[in-house]
Amino acid sequence: NAGVTQTPKFQVLKTGQSMTLQCAQDMNHNSMYWYRQDPGMGLRLIYYSASEGTTDKGEVPNGYNVSRLNKREFSLRLESAAPSQTSVYFCASTRDRVDSPLHFGNGTRLTVT
Amino acid sequence: KNEVEQSPQNLTAQEGEFITINCSYSVGISALHWLQQHPGGGIVSLFMLSSGKKKHGRLIATINIQEKHSSLHITASHPRDSAVYICAVRGGSPNFGNEKLTFGTGTRLTIIP
Repeated sequence: NAGVTQTPKFQVLKTGQSMTLQCAQDMNHNSMYWYRQDPGMGLRLIYYSASEGTTDKGEVPNGYNVSRLNKREFSLRLESAAPSQTSVYFCASTRDRVDSPLHFGNGTRLTVT
Repeated sequence: KNEVEQSPQNLTAQEGEFITINCSYSVGISALHWLQQHPGGGIVSLFMLSSGKKKHGRLIATINIQEKHSSLHITASHPRDSAVYICAVRGGSPNFGNEKLTFGTGTRLTIIP
């Protein structure tokens, strides 16, 4: 039982390059989330998917796109990376939107130069 | 937006000491989460509560809805408890799901052997 698997763990990009962060969960959870964590700030929601086939913007969606490929997978794409997107990214899932605990992936440390 | 304040920001204690970490928030909530972020970066959910008190092993979480305050206690602290502890609150509307979580910036706890 792997829980939430997130890849890659580390990535360095040059400004303008694109990449996709992958996330998969094997707990049959309905809701999935992408967060970024920056020094001195709490986790901030980028995008979320309340159920398969739906996605919605969070607090900081600019510069990102997402795909809920199926119930298991929720990917985050940076089309044209910028230094301001240097951060640690976390994927998380919950059984439902409301009364269930969050399960996090191990994070992706992204540096954009 | 709900403001979440955690105190202290940093806490160093001797092994065996009783630890208290505090979380205050500014507006009504429907649920509060306590999370633990390991030195390696992974995040684990410890508690989700909306009233009263929960206990798991040496960890106890309490919440006072009227005072808009929650505490996380660790009894008989151990070096393996060294981590960042994060509080997150969900807004008070019954329509709000986990996409409406506001995260604190965390309390860094170090337990010295």
